[in-house]
Amino acid sequence: QKEVEQNSGPLSVPEGAIASLNCTYSDRGSQSFFWYRQYSGKSPELIMSIYSNGDKEDGRFTAQLNKASQYVSLLIRDSQPSDSATYLCAVTGTASKLTFGTGTRLQVTL
Amino acid sequence: DAGITQSPRHKVTETGTPVTLRCHQTENHRYMYWYRQDPGHGLRLIHYSYGVKDTDKGEVSDGYSVSRSKTEDFLLTLESATSSQTSVYFCATSPTGNEQYFGPGTRLTVT
Repeated sequence: QKEVEQNSGPLSVPEGAIASLNCTYSDRGSQSFFWYRQYSGKSPELIMSIYSNGDKEDGRFTAQLNKASQYVSLLIRDSQPSDSATYLCAVTGTASKLTFGTGTRLQVTL
Repeated sequence: DAGITQSPRHKVTETGTPVTLRCHQTENHRYMYWYRQDPGHGLRLIHYSYGVKDTDKGEVSDGYSVSRSKTEDFLLTLESATSSQTSVYFCATSPTGNEQYFGPGTRLTVT
């Protein structure tokens, strides 16, 4: 079982819609959770961090964490073509090391 | 943006040669990391550093070594490059050991 799992996609949503990206993790002791956006040929960019159960909103992005279900999600409201990218979920385990999922590719269509 | 640079940005080398990649940061972050990214595997940690001269192995450390003699620089050395080490290499830094900020990457091809 992979430590951090994501659906590889592509997830296709129309412009203006809500994109919902999901991630599950296996280590119940994980404390910190992150979402990165990676455009093709570029480096990952941190877009959201969440440390406690519930929702955290930042502009059009909302991160949701449910530690009991070991589940993290990212909602993107009013999706734009510029949101088309691969979204990486990352979870801290031991010794300040991040474990990454393989990413979900999001396509926002016109 | 953590002010991270990587050099070189692209490199082609031959099997069996040593290669050193450099990561330089201007943010005075304590933690530094080296990852490789390959299709189907995502980002995998090679080595990391939690302070000057303090380093430890990640999940794919075989064939790699690192050094950190000052806060701003973290070097990754491929002791004898193999074709399986063809990859994109990313450096990352963190002030706290939680959120990490990535450099632009180095594309390495071993022929």
